[in-house]
Amino acid sequence: DSGVTQTPKHLITATGQRVTLRCSPRSGDLSVYWYQQSLDQGLQFLIQYYNGEERAKGNILERFSAQQFPDLHSELNLSSLELGDSALYFCASSSEGDATDTQYFGPGTRLTVL
Amino acid sequence: AQKVTQAQTEISVVEKEDVTLDCVYETRDTTYYLFWYKQPPSGELVFLIRRNSFDEQNEISGRYSWNFQKSTSSFNFTITASQVVDSAVYFCALSEARNSGNTPLVFGKGTRLSVIA
Repeated sequence: DSGVTQTPKHLITATGQRVTLRCSPRSGDLSVYWYQQSLDQGLQFLIQYYNGEERAKGNILERFSAQQFPDLHSELNLSSLELGDSALYFCASSSEGDATDTQYFGPGTRLTVL
Repeated sequence: AQKVTQAQTEISVVEKEDVTLDCVYETRDTTYYLFWYKQPPSGELVFLIRRNSFDEQNEISGRYSWNFQKSTSSFNFTITASQVVDSAVYFCALSEARNSGNTPLVFGKGTRLSVIA
């Protein structure tokens, strides 16, 4: 158990809908990362927050957004969902959010868009 | 730009055999970090090891060992006396040091290891 929690574990929804994925980092970690794992793209970085502020952005679609709250949990919002958004979404956390850290991953949320 | 290549898509071995998973990386930075993660069938990503670019010492942890060679830009992972529980997808990843600290992981495509009893 990495100490990172993600809810829900599974999510099934329809095209055009909006969903919110939630992540709680390990105790004391200030940085949260979101990654998407799909069969065709592999593991791809989406976005990073550090202590409430956006720090880095990857290949995140405009339909996706995220935020980190004062209690350091993070939410990833996916809207206008398409079939191709079906994937495993991981949250990871690290203490300082720089290269000296190790990122520990949560169990993931499996999103299925029908 | 950084890149990680895991040329072996799938490997199948018989239990108790040794197996080496290859990882080749590309980076222009002199300071960087390399990682291995394991993804068992249950789906979670489990951290195995982190190595920084200034430490080329090989590491051994039980049946696992890692060989880091900067000259060939490789960070290979060997499992000795493989067991069925080692069956998983293994990912190699790279992050580069930045003053701003913006260093998300770049992953290879992964190697699926099947250990047959």
